[in-house]
Amino acid sequence: GAVVSQHPSRVICKSGTSVKIECRSLDFQATTMFWYRQFPKQSLMLMATSNEGSKATYEQGVEKDKFLINHASLTLSTLTVTSAHPEDSSFYICSAADGTVYNSPLHFGNGTRLTVT
Amino acid sequence: AQKVTQAQTEISVVEKEDVTLDCVYETRDTTYYLFWYKQPPSGELVFLIRRNSFDEQNEISGRYSWNFQKSTSSFNFTITASQVVDSAVYFCALIEGTSYGKLTFGQGTILTVHP
Repeated sequence: GAVVSQHPSRVICKSGTSVKIECRSLDFQATTMFWYRQFPKQSLMLMATSNEGSKATYEQGVEKDKFLINHASLTLSTLTVTSAHPEDSSFYICSAADGTVYNSPLHFGNGTRLTVT
Repeated sequence: AQKVTQAQTEISVVEKEDVTLDCVYETRDTTYYLFWYKQPPSGELVFLIRRNSFDEQNEISGRYSWNFQKSTSSFNFTITASQVVDSAVYFCALIEGTSYGKLTFGQGTILTVHP
C-alpha cells in the first residue's frame, strides 16, 4: 500500500539552529502534502498545506518565516524549522494523499520528535 | 467552522471487554469525510477508516466496527473483545468538502486495555 516516509524520526538541536524534516511519498505521487504539529498529550494541529511547485499555504497563527516548507517534487516535501527555540519542541508529522484527497485515505509519516535545548 | 469532539479523554478496560469510542462532529458542508486513526506509543498515525457523508452504512472490519449516524452527527468506533495491543490514542477526524484535504482532529481518546 501507499507509504509515507518521514526523516529524521528524532532530532535534538541547540537553540538558534535550523532543522530540516523530510517527508517522502514512496510509491505514489503526492501533489499535496500536509504538515501537522502535536504537543504532548494533545491533538494534531494543521500547520500548512504543501503544494508541489507553488508556495505553501499556512494556517492562521503559523509563522511562515519560521517554518519554511518546500515541495520541489511530487514525492518530497520538506519542513525547515529556522532558528529553533525550546518552544518549538514538538512532534511534527506529515501526510500525503495518493489520489484526490477526497477519494483516498491520507497516509501519515511516522513523525519527527524535535527537541530544542 | 468545523469541529470534532471526542468527549472521552481516557478509557480503561480489561482485555476481552467491548469498548466504544465516541465522536461527534460539526460541519456546515453537506459533503464531508470522516476518519479514524490510531496512534500507538511509537507515535505514528495508523489509518483505520474513511467514511463519506453520503454513505451511512455501518462498517465492520474484524473486531472493529463503526456506526455513522448523520442524524446525531456521530461516528462512533467500537472494538469488540479488546486486546492489549489495542492500547493507543484514537483520533476521529473530519475533512470538509470545501477544505481540500485539511483534517480537523478531535482531542483524541486514550484507550488502555489491561491484561
